[in-house]
Amino acid sequence: AQTVTQSQPEMSVQEAETVTLSCTYDTSESDYYLFWYKQPPSRQMILVIRQEAYKQQNATENRFSVNFQKAAKSFSLKISDSQLGDAAMYFCAYRSATAGANSKLTFGKGITLSVRP
Amino acid sequence: DVKVTQSSRYLVKRTGEKVFLECVQDMDHENMFWYRQDPGLGLRLIYFSYDVKMKEKGDIPEGYSVSREKKERFSLILESASTNQTSMYLCASSPYRAGVSYGYTFGSGTRLTVV
Repeated sequence: AQTVTQSQPEMSVQEAETVTLSCTYDTSESDYYLFWYKQPPSRQMILVIRQEAYKQQNATENRFSVNFQKAAKSFSLKISDSQLGDAAMYFCAYRSATAGANSKLTFGKGITLSVRP
Repeated sequence: DVKVTQSSRYLVKRTGEKVFLECVQDMDHENMFWYRQDPGLGLRLIYFSYDVKMKEKGDIPEGYSVSREKKERFSLILESASTNQTSMYLCASSPYRAGVSYGYTFGSGTRLTVV
């Protein structure tokens, strides 16, 4: 079974600075997808960024980018120019690309990011 | 705007009650999921469904059941609520296409307290 590990429960960043959130995963599969989700204090989870394992190029979405190291099974999220609205809980997640209709997301335990004004 | 709607944001129930948590999506998604979220434990999958009337156990199905009679609706049932089922419950949905893994669209969550 796949596992996702987010070893840091909390992080803090100064507004306008850059922060990197770490995530590692364990799998025997070669084809999969990785995700970062954000859960603001209002609670609704939203997708931040998505990475296909077969792509070597790291995904980017505006101020959010990932560092995907497939051999190391590492998938970190970098937030540039941090804003107060980035304060939230962030979850890393894994989904098999080959499990068919039964495929589901496996989540890490999350990391709480606070942004200092 | 596409949505996953959970019927209640906050719910307080008594021990032993039968509890229904409802989730409706308007995106014609095949897959629907129920997770519970607890501090320090992240999201844990309770049940999921990949088609109408189809269901699969997740990691923590004990004490729960589900129903999916229509594609858009996925209900989570606590047969006899207990205090250890006090938690945040999140519903999610995603499309299914062979060879593609989509992320989920989440509902806003239901904070259930069992007293």
